[in-house]
Amino acid sequence: DAGVIQSPRHEVTEMGQEVTLRCKPISGHNSLFWYRQTMMRGLELLIYFNNNVPIDDSGMPEDRFSAKMPNASFSTLKIQPSEPRDSAVYFCASRWTGGREQYFGPGTRLTVT
Amino acid sequence: QQQVKQSPQSLIVQKGGISIINCAYENTAFDYFPWYQQFPGKGPALLIAIRPDVSEKKEGRFTISFNKSAKQFSLHIMDSQPGDSATYFCAASMLKAAGNKLTFGGGTRVLVKP
Repeated sequence: DAGVIQSPRHEVTEMGQEVTLRCKPISGHNSLFWYRQTMMRGLELLIYFNNNVPIDDSGMPEDRFSAKMPNASFSTLKIQPSEPRDSAVYFCASRWTGGREQYFGPGTRLTVT
Repeated sequence: QQQVKQSPQSLIVQKGGISIINCAYENTAFDYFPWYQQFPGKGPALLIAIRPDVSEKKEGRFTISFNKSAKQFSLHIMDSQPGDSATYFCAASMLKAAGNKLTFGGGTRVLVKP
C-alpha cells in the first residue's frame, strides 16, 4: 500500500494568495483527518470526515479555511486568503472506521511570506 | 478535560541508556492511549498503544506503563539507540467521542548521543 499521499510536499506563497493542499487516503479507509503542526501549538486537529462527510470542523481556525472530500479517495484543504501565521506543516491522516490507529501522510510544509 | 500533558519537552540520553517520557490526562473516558514517533520531515507513525485494562505493554525495546488511578502513562525506551532520535507524542482517545479523535500531548524531542 502506498500510504497516505499528500501534495505538494512544500508550498511557498505570498500573503493573500489562495493555497490548496491535497490528500489521498489509504484505500479502504473511510475516516480522514486534517491536522496542523506548529512549534507553538503542536498538533492540532482541524477537521474530520467520515464517509466523505465533514463530522467535526471545530478546529478550523477561521472562515479562510475550508475542506472538502468529494469522494473516498481525495480531499482538499484550502486557505483563501493565506496569511503568514498560516505557515505550518499540514498533515492528512486516514483510518479505517473499525480501527483506532490513524495513518499519517508525509505532510505539506506551507510557508506564507 | 480534553488535555493530555506531556513531559519533558526534550531529552538527551546516551546510547544504551533509558529514555522515559511521561503523560498525564484528565478525562477518565479516554480508553485508548497510543504513542507516535515522528522523524524530521515525516508524519507521525504509531509506535505502540495501550488500553486502560492493561498496566504494561512491551514491544521490543519500547514499553508503555499505564497507571489508571493516577491517570498517567509513560513510554520507556530501553537500550536507546541513535536511530531512536525523534519526537515522540503521546495521545488519547475515547471510542464514544465523535470521530474517535486523538488528543495529542505536546511532544518530546529525544536525542540519543552515540
